Amino acid sequence: QSVLTQPPSASGTPGQRVTISCSGSSSNIGSNTVNWYQQLPGTAPKLLIYRNNQRPSGVPDRFSGSKSGTSASLAISGLQSADEADYYCAAWDDSLNGYVFGTGTKVTVL
Amino acid sequence: EVQLVESGEGLVQPGGSLRLSCAASGFTFSSYEMNWVRQAPGKGLEWVSYISSSGATIYYADSVKGRFTISRDNAKNSLYLQMNSLRAEDTAVYYCARAAAGGGDAFDIWGQGTMVTVSS
Repeated sequence: QSVLTQPPSASGTPGQRVTISCSGSSSNIGSNTVNWYQQLPGTAPKLLIYRNNQRPSGVPDRFSGSKSGTSASLAISGLQSADEADYYCAAWDDSLNGYVFGTGTKVTVL
Repeated sequence: EVQLVESGEGLVQPGGSLRLSCAASGFTFSSYEMNWVRQAPGKGLEWVSYISSSGATIYYADSVKGRFTISRDNAKNSLYLQMNSLRAEDTAVYYCARAAAGGGDAFDIWGQGTMVTVSS
């Protein structure tokens, strides 16, 4: 059972900006950094954003992350067909003493 | 090339056991914390277990606590997951994932995954 809540789906046309929210609590997002993962169909997840807003080498700057209080968000600007994937937020949870993933958001490019 | 390769895929009956392995290459395995993450068919990601670089610190998700055991052999650059008392709900693709150095708890390298099916 995921403790981080995301919208099940998001969509946009090519070139648009899409934002995905991630809602948690004081024991996870409220006290730890948030990471975001992208999972293309049939592949393993890939780290997209770490420490709330940092991009690993090779991740385009079209992807950006932010965090405020017990919520976080991922923004994808200049949406491309290649961005069609599932996106997951994640954070360490101090109460569970474990890592928690969000429920996942499927992004569709119309 | 930095790489993680899981093995141990299989079909097992409820109550049975299975051992997964994850072979690391291209980096100094003994310096990194490691994790297992699973994904049931058509479902989201679920963290399973964590082990520190030395193996001294271990955490488990409540859903597997008491049934699964994570371990590592730094001399063999390998991570393991011993799964006992398997249940149908343990059916999933299991990924090993490296925790990024200096990246907090971000998982920066993932294996391709190995499928575990629990069914009679």
